[in-house]
Amino acid sequence: ETGVTQSPTHLIKTRGQQVTLRCSSQSGHNTVSWYQQALGQGPQFIFQYYREEENGRGNFPPRFSGLQFPNYSSELNVNALELDDSALYLCASSYMPAYEQYFGPGTRLTVT
Amino acid sequence: KQEVTQIPAALSVPEGENLVLNCSFTDSAIYNLQWFRQDPGKGLTSLLLIQSSQREQTSGRLNASLDKSSGRSTLYIAASQPGDSATYLCAVRPTGANSKLTFGKGITLSVRP
Repeated sequence: ETGVTQSPTHLIKTRGQQVTLRCSSQSGHNTVSWYQQALGQGPQFIFQYYREEENGRGNFPPRFSGLQFPNYSSELNVNALELDDSALYLCASSYMPAYEQYFGPGTRLTVT
Repeated sequence: KQEVTQIPAALSVPEGENLVLNCSFTDSAIYNLQWFRQDPGKGLTSLLLIQSSQREQTSGRLNASLDKSSGRSTLYIAASQPGDSATYLCAVRPTGANSKLTFGKGITLSVRP
């Protein structure tokens, strides 16, 4: 059974640019959640996708957007990058929205 | 709004010591509580998940307890080892359809040989 995978591992972008992060969910899981973890902080919920529809959103501006595909993999898109967007972005998948979440290794985004 | 607190932020203990990590939350209407381990720069590894109807869960040297009424959970680590050095985070999931996890900031544990 393949676990949750994320790509890329590391990314460096310039302020104002756009970025796309990718997540492949664990086999059999139809729900993907995205979290942002700044240095020294706990992860903050960005949004969740369940069967290709957004199923809840945290306190993040609209320039954070997402997609879930028919195979339940997901993308996180961030437009107009700001320095404060520098963080570890974590993806988690689950069998259903209320079930246990399994986390990927994360993508480290640095905005300069 | 749910808030999760973990104090202290860091802890250093000698190898072999039994230790307790604390987690408190403000809203007792939770579906479950989960403890995670995070190594530097890495993702989260789930250690234990306690449903709201349960009082504790055990896995090897780890034991997690939950007291919903007082808004507290503890993670007990027996006979600590240097390999236990990591950041430990607790997270609560609310009842209802929105299943986002609310995390504490974590406790960074260092086990000295």
